[in-house]
Amino acid sequence: GQQLNQSPQSMFIQEGEDVSMNCTSSSIFNTWLWYKQDPGEGPVLLIALYKAGELTSNGRLTAQFGITRKDSFLNISASIPSDVGIYFCAGQLKGAGGTSYGKLTFGQGTILTVHP
Amino acid sequence: EAGVTQSPTHLIKTRGQQATLRCSPISGHTSVYWYQQALGLGLQFLLWYDEGEERNRGNFPPRFSGRQFPNYSSELNVNALELEDSALYLCASSLEGAVQTQYFGPGTRLLVL
Repeated sequence: GQQLNQSPQSMFIQEGEDVSMNCTSSSIFNTWLWYKQDPGEGPVLLIALYKAGELTSNGRLTAQFGITRKDSFLNISASIPSDVGIYFCAGQLKGAGGTSYGKLTFGQGTILTVHP
Repeated sequence: EAGVTQSPTHLIKTRGQQATLRCSPISGHTSVYWYQQALGLGLQFLLWYDEGEERNRGNFPPRFSGRQFPNYSSELNVNALELEDSALYLCASSLEGAVQTQYFGPGTRLLVL
């Protein structure tokens, strides 16, 4: 089945540093999304990417949909303490004729710790 | 605008019992999705409902089932609970035709003793 490999598994950084994390897959995805999850809460959508090569920013966050459609990265610039949490990539695949399966396939998550 | 809401926030059951979890989507969203997040693991797709019908299900046994009501809210039922069913159950919703952009609720934490 489809699997997403997300790396790194965890990161410990100083406030103000830039962060980069990525996801790779053996399968092609039609959509890539990045979510952030705080403890005890549901994931919050950060960025959605719909086309290969697309580069999208949301404040200090920048994400790209890889040209091969098998990877994506998320960068966070000038990290702050509230960036702490678990970041998940997710991909969605469409079937023949653009049929949607509804399912998002998630990476294992990157745990981000920011030291003040 | 209110987000996805789920109830209860926490649920404690014993092995063999049944659990019912509820979800209300964002207003205007017609699709509802259920995911299981076991401790330390990523999210695993359970079910997708749209316009009252089950459109797809993940690799879970039949004792995981659900339904979607005419107002687009949804229930997830888990029968014959097992210890390994303990997890955070997350509901998400999306607009019709935008199934790739899913917005999540806060989840229901199910503990099976």
